[in-house]
Amino acid sequence: DSGVTQTPKHLITATGQRVTLRCSPRSGDLSVYWYQQSLDQGLQFLIQYYNGEERAKGNILERFSAQQFPDLHSELNLSSLELGDSALYFCASSVSATNEKLFFGSGTQLSVL
Amino acid sequence: GQQVMQIPQYQHVQEGEDFTTYCNSSTTLSNIQWYKQRPGGHPVFLIQLVKSGEVKKQKRLTFQFGEAKKNSSLHITATQTTDVGTYFCNHNSGGSNYKLTFGKGTLLTVNP
Repeated sequence: DSGVTQTPKHLITATGQRVTLRCSPRSGDLSVYWYQQSLDQGLQFLIQYYNGEERAKGNILERFSAQQFPDLHSELNLSSLELGDSALYFCASSVSATNEKLFFGSGTQLSVL
Repeated sequence: GQQVMQIPQYQHVQEGEDFTTYCNSSTTLSNIQWYKQRPGGHPVFLIQLVKSGEVKKQKRLTFQFGEAKKNSSLHITATQTTDVGTYFCNHNSGGSNYKLTFGKGTLLTVNP
């Protein structure tokens, strides 16, 4: 158990819909990262938050947004969903903004039908 | 952006054989990390290498960072079925465009 909690584990929805994925980092970790994993693209970095502020941005679509709340949990919002958004979404946390030892949650499997 | 190429993409071995995966970058890396993801699981941190020429060992796993800090390797001696999974390298691109970039990974399968 990494200590990072992601909910829900599975999500099935339709194209055009909006969903929210939730992540609680390990106790004491201030940094949260979101990754998208698909078979053909590997692990794609989406965005990082540190202590409530956006720290780094990767290949995140404009239809996607995220935030980190004062209690340090984070949410990833995916809107106007497309079939191609079907993937495994991982959240990871680390102690600091540049500590590269990441602890991953179990992921949310998103299926867009 | 900075690209890290990981090879091979797939590797199938007989149990007991050795296995090596490589990460290669066109630019100097500040550090590199290795992760393992079991089938159906999530990536788990294995190790971080920081110094030029650094070599670290974890039981049957040997990690190396090249002298020029542009490449790294993970070598597994005498593979076991428990070694099955995808091995990723990850690096920090640093600077104002800081982000953590994973290679596409090497999927290792082991035939018992």
